[in-house]
Amino acid sequence: DIQMTQSPSSLSVSVGDRVTITCQASQDISNYLNWYQQKPGKAPKVLIFDASTLETGVPSRFSGSGSGTYFTFTISSLQPEDIATYYCQQFDNFPITFGQGTRLEIK
Amino acid sequence: QVQLQESGPGLVKPSETLSLACGVSGGSLNGHFWSWIRQPPGRGLEWIGYVYHSGSTNYNPSLESRVSISVDTSKNQFSLKVNSVTAADTAVYFCARHGAGAAIYFDSWGQGALVTVSS
Repeated sequence: DIQMTQSPSSLSVSVGDRVTITCQASQDISNYLNWYQQKPGKAPKVLIFDASTLETGVPSRFSGSGSGTYFTFTISSLQPEDIATYYCQQFDNFPITFGQGTRLEIK
Repeated sequence: QVQLQESGPGLVKPSETLSLACGVSGGSLNGHFWSWIRQPPGRGLEWIGYVYHSGSTNYNPSLESRVSISVDTSKNQFSLKVNSVTAADTAVYFCARHGAGAAIYFDSWGQGALVTVSS
C-alpha cells in the first residue's frame, strides 16, 4: 500500500493566516492526489483533485500543488468556516489510501 | 443533485455480519463507481472498496476476505457486508460516489452511519 504522511498533524491558526499543509507519498504517485475537508460529525468534502484542480464551487483561497511524492495544500487567508480536519488521498494505486489528517484549531 | 443515504443496524454483535445499504436519490447508479469508506471514532479514513453499476468490484486487500459490495439497480442502491466483525470494525461507515472522469475522488457522500460492534 502507498503510505500518505501529512504534516503537521495539528495546527493552531488565526483568522487571516496563510495555512500550508504537506502530504508526502511513500512512492511516486504523479499528480494522483486529492484534498478533502471534514468538519466534526460531517462527511468529507472534496476541495481539490488531481493535485491542483479546484472542485466546482470551492473558494479560490484554497489551492494545491505538487507532483511525484511531495504535495502542498494552502489556504491563502483562513476564514472561520475553514476550521476543520483536512485529508489528502492518493489514487495512483489500489488500495486508495488517505493521509492521517491535519486538524486546524483556532489559536 | 445526487443524494446518498446509509441505512442499517447501528449495533452488531462480535462474529456476526455488518450489513449496510446506500440509497441513491436524484441520480442513477449508471455510469458511476460507488465506494464504501469507514472512519473509526476519532481516527482517519479507510477505503473499503467500490462497485461499478455493472456489478464489478475492487476491495481493499486488508478487508477483502471479509467484505462484499453489491449493487441493486432496481432499487437504485448499493450495499456493504462485512463478515466476522470485531470491535475493530466499529466505525462511521460512509457511502460515496466517484467523480466523473479519470481522477478517482469522491464527490458526493452520505451523512455516515455509526456501527458499533459490541455484545
